[in-house]
Amino acid sequence: QKEVEQDPGPLSVPEGAIVSLNCTYSNSAFQYFMWYRQYSRKGPELLMYTYSSGNKEDGRFTAQVDKSSKYISLFIRDSQPSDSATYLCATSASKIIFGSGTRLSIRP
Amino acid sequence: DGGITQSPKYLFRKEGQNVTLSCEQNLNHDAMYWYRQDPGQGLRLIYYSQIVNDFQKGDIAEGYSVSREKKESFPLTVTSAQKNPTAFYLCASSIVGLEGALTGELFFGEGSRLTVL
Repeated sequence: QKEVEQDPGPLSVPEGAIVSLNCTYSNSAFQYFMWYRQYSRKGPELLMYTYSSGNKEDGRFTAQVDKSSKYISLFIRDSQPSDSATYLCATSASKIIFGSGTRLSIRP
Repeated sequence: DGGITQSPKYLFRKEGQNVTLSCEQNLNHDAMYWYRQDPGQGLRLIYYSQIVNDFQKGDIAEGYSVSREKKESFPLTVTSAQKNPTAFYLCASSIVGLEGALTGELFFGEGSRLTVL
């Protein structure tokens, strides 16, 4: 079993839709939870960063962590074509573990 | 501007050759990492270093070597022992949090795409 599981997609939604991206993890020692966005042929960039359980909002993006169920979510409101990218979840305790990434496409 | 610079962006190698990928950062970060990315497999850790002159193997270190002689630099050598070296290689850096725990906030370079002919 992978330490972090992520549905690879691809996921295609119309512009303006609410997008939900999810990951599960197995190690309860994980403390930090991140979402990275990676455009094609580029390096990933940190999108959202949270510590422990709860919600964190930044503009159209909301990151949610439920440590009791070991579930991580990223919600994108009013999705735009520029949001089309691969989204990687990640967690860390003593080392950083990445999910395999979900490829998202927003149709104009 | 502060950031991470990887070079070259594209590299072609013949089988049996060693190649070295460069990674330089001016963020004053203590920790540096090398990841390999293959389609559908996410990021896999090759090597990482938390301080100068010290580094640890990641999950897929076989066929690779690194050095950390300076805080700013963390070059990766892909040796001829690496059976399937064609991939996208990413270098990253981060601060090291309290108690030595890695905070997980990584800053990535633009990547180097290596193709073995």
